[in-house]
Amino acid sequence: SQTIHQWPATLVQPVGSPLSLECTVEGTSNPNLYWYRQAAGRGLQLLFYSVGIGQISSEVPQNLSASRPQDRQFILSSKKLLLSDSGFYLCAWAGLAETQYFGPGTRLLVL
Amino acid sequence: QKEVEQDPGPLSVPEGAIVSLNCTYSNSAFQYFMWYRQYSRKGPELLMYTYSSGNKEDGRFTAQVDKSSKYISLFIRDSQPSDSATYLCAMSFNYGQNFVFGPGTRLSVLP
Repeated sequence: SQTIHQWPATLVQPVGSPLSLECTVEGTSNPNLYWYRQAAGRGLQLLFYSVGIGQISSEVPQNLSASRPQDRQFILSSKKLLLSDSGFYLCAWAGLAETQYFGPGTRLLVL
Repeated sequence: QKEVEQDPGPLSVPEGAIVSLNCTYSNSAFQYFMWYRQYSRKGPELLMYTYSSGNKEDGRFTAQVDKSSKYISLFIRDSQPSDSATYLCAMSFNYGQNFVFGPGTRLSVLP
């Protein structure tokens, strides 16, 4: 069966510091991968998606970036965090079944 | 008009009640419809997935899609306190990107 991992689970970072969140998927090949942000009490905002290694599409222009160095690894990064980057970051994968499966999420607090 | 709308709640019901959660959407090109359940501080988990119009039942849960009205519903029978969560509807056009999520409805089932 497929599983999706995210780490860290919780992160507290100062404004202006860098960020690296990692997502890995097991049990599937060539998945579509997604990064979402969920602000408190709000819906999911799609940040990036990837259909293959090195292929990244950005949905929202901001100071975040994403990379996919391996088939089942997706990384969300920032060079300098802003207060507005605080939120709950979710990684998801989709296969041929046309549905998305989410990871446990990373809660980021920028102070 | 937002692409997907959903009553934000919160919705409080007594244990054993029948719950109806609803979403409306504006784009008739959506073909795949999903319901996710999200417990506090956790990633969303897929509950139901349907293609095109019709009903689908899984235990106490029934998903209903009415494409002519651009309206989808999730019914929960014999609701339990463990059903207390935020419920997100989602829909997509085809394989890959273009998943669109509703903002979620927060449900509390009171014992």
